[in-house]
Amino acid sequence: AQTVTQSQPEMSVQEAETVTLSCTYDTSESDYYLFWYKQPPSRQMILVIRQEAYKQQNATENRFSVNFQKAAKSFSLKISDSQLGDAAMYFCAYVGLILTGGGNKLTFGTGTQLKVEL
Amino acid sequence: SQTIHQWPATLVQPVGSPLSLECTVEGTSNPNLYWYRQAAGRGLQLLFYSVGIGQISSEVPQNLSASRPQDRQFILSSKKLLLSDSGFYLCAWSSVTTEAFFGQGTRLTVV
Repeated sequence: AQTVTQSQPEMSVQEAETVTLSCTYDTSESDYYLFWYKQPPSRQMILVIRQEAYKQQNATENRFSVNFQKAAKSFSLKISDSQLGDAAMYFCAYVGLILTGGGNKLTFGTGTQLKVEL
Repeated sequence: SQTIHQWPATLVQPVGSPLSLECTVEGTSNPNLYWYRQAAGRGLQLLFYSVGIGQISSEVPQNLSASRPQDRQFILSSKKLLLSDSGFYLCAWSSVTTEAFFGQGTRLTVV
């Protein structure tokens, strides 16, 4: 079974600085997608960035970028020029592309609470 | 465009009462559907997921159940709520190659 691990329950960053959130996953599949979601206090889940496993190039979305290391099964999120609005819970997620019995199950890590300080 | 509706937004129910949370998706067909529960300040616990009508996979054995009577309708139910069922419930949908799209969530308090 696929698992997603976020080993940092909480992280802090100064405004305008850069922070990296870690995520590792375990899978025997070769084709899959990885995502980072943001959950602000409103609890609405917002997609931050996605990465296709077959792409070697790391995904970027404005101030957000990932470091995808397929062999190491690592998928970290880097937030540059941190802003107060970045404060939220961040979840790493995995979905495989091969139907295995029950289908494509979207699996989340336990989350990292990011605090942005002035 | 695709839209997901989840209701109610807030619910307070006594212990032992039944539960029905509904989720519907518009603008797509044959989506994968998910029910997650989130305790305060915690991660997402996958409760059920479905890849088609009548196809439900349960991740956590408990007194909750799920049904998918129509392609774009996903219902979370309980016959008798427990205090431990309190939490924030999120419905989501995805296709094979897309990210998950979430509803607004239901805050359930069992008293």
